[in-house]
Amino acid sequence: DSGVTQTPKHLITATGQRVTLRCSPRSGDLSVYWYQQSLDQGLQFLIQYYNGEERAKGNILERFSAQQFPDLHSELNLSSLELGDSALYFCASSVQGQGYNEQFFGPGTRLTVL
Amino acid sequence: SQQGEEDPQALSIQEGENATMNCSYKTSINNLQWYRQNSGRGLVHLILIRSNEREKHSGRLRVTLDTSKKSSSLLITASRAADTASYFCLPMEYGNKLVFGAGTILRVKS
Repeated sequence: DSGVTQTPKHLITATGQRVTLRCSPRSGDLSVYWYQQSLDQGLQFLIQYYNGEERAKGNILERFSAQQFPDLHSELNLSSLELGDSALYFCASSVQGQGYNEQFFGPGTRLTVL
Repeated sequence: SQQGEEDPQALSIQEGENATMNCSYKTSINNLQWYRQNSGRGLVHLILIRSNEREKHSGRLRVTLDTSKKSSSLLITASRAADTASYFCLPMEYGNKLVFGAGTILRVKS
């Protein structure tokens, strides 16, 4: 158990809908990272937050957005969902804001868009 | 952005044998990290080696780093069926985007 929690574990929704994925980092970790993993794209970094502020941006679509709240939990919002958004979404956390710290991954949320 | 390329893409060995996988990268790094992913689960951090280190051990894991060749290797000794997983390297430089490669799929047969 990494100490990172993600909810929900599974999510099934329809195209065009909007969903919110939630992540709670390990106690004491200030950074949260979001990743998308699909069979054709592999593991893609989406975005990083550090202590409430956006720190780095990866291959995140404009339909996706994220935020980190004062209690350090984070939410990833996915809107206007398409079939291709079906994937595993992982959250990870680390102690500091620099990208070169080890990351601790949550169990993931499996999103299925029908 | 920095990306590690793992080699081989897939590796199948018998339990008890050693498994070696390699990672190559393109630019200078602060450190290099190895992660393991069991099917459908989150990645697990295995080991971090800094750019000024040449070798590091953790249990049955041995990692080497050759910054002149821009390469790293992960050796798993006396492999077990539970080592069956995908292994990813992550070459890290401050400020770079986090880019994982395709990984090496290791299968350990019992």
